[in-house]
Amino acid sequence: ETGVTQSPTHLIKTRGQQVTLRCSSQSGHNTVSWYQQALGQGPQFIFQYYREEENGRGNFPPRFSGLQFPNYSSELNVNALELDDSALYLCASSLVLAGGTGELFFGEGSRLTVL
Amino acid sequence: QQQVKQSPQSLIVQKGGISIINCAYENTAFDYFPWYQQFPGKGPALLIAIRPDVSEKKEGRFTISFNKSAKQFSLHIMDSQPGDSATYFCAASPNYGQNFVFGPGTRLSVLP
Repeated sequence: ETGVTQSPTHLIKTRGQQVTLRCSSQSGHNTVSWYQQALGQGPQFIFQYYREEENGRGNFPPRFSGLQFPNYSSELNVNALELDDSALYLCASSLVLAGGTGELFFGEGSRLTVL
Repeated sequence: QQQVKQSPQSLIVQKGGISIINCAYENTAFDYFPWYQQFPGKGPALLIAIRPDVSEKKEGRFTISFNKSAKQFSLHIMDSQPGDSATYFCAASPNYGQNFVFGPGTRLSVLP
């Protein structure tokens, strides 16, 4: 069973640039969520994708966007980067069934630094 | 109302002791309460979780106590070990799996 993998692990961008982060879900999972974790804080929900459509969104501006592909892999795109976007971006996959399921399986994250 | 409060911010416990971390919430729509463990450089990993229809759940050395009327829940780690040293996050979800709200975390250090 392959776990959640994310790429790249680290990257540095400058203010105003755009970034794309990638995630491969755990085998058999149909839902992917993205979280932002600032240093010393808990993860904050960005959005969730189910069946290639956004299925919930946290308090993040539209310059944060995402995609889920038929193979359940996913991308997080951030446009017009700001200094405060520096954080660990976590991808989590889960298997949503009728009645729901709770367990999130996280990847190790992509550490983004915006200069 | 979407916040989950967590305390203490940091905790130092001797090996063999009991570690207790507390969380509180306001949103009564929350219906799933997991605890995650995170080691440096790693993503959070599910430790144990509870639904509001039970007041306690135990898995090995880890126990969740849940008080629905007080809107509080806590994690107890019995016989704490140095390998338990990590950051612990409580979380809550209003839709049993969607848009989790995480607490700010507790950094636990277990001294040998």
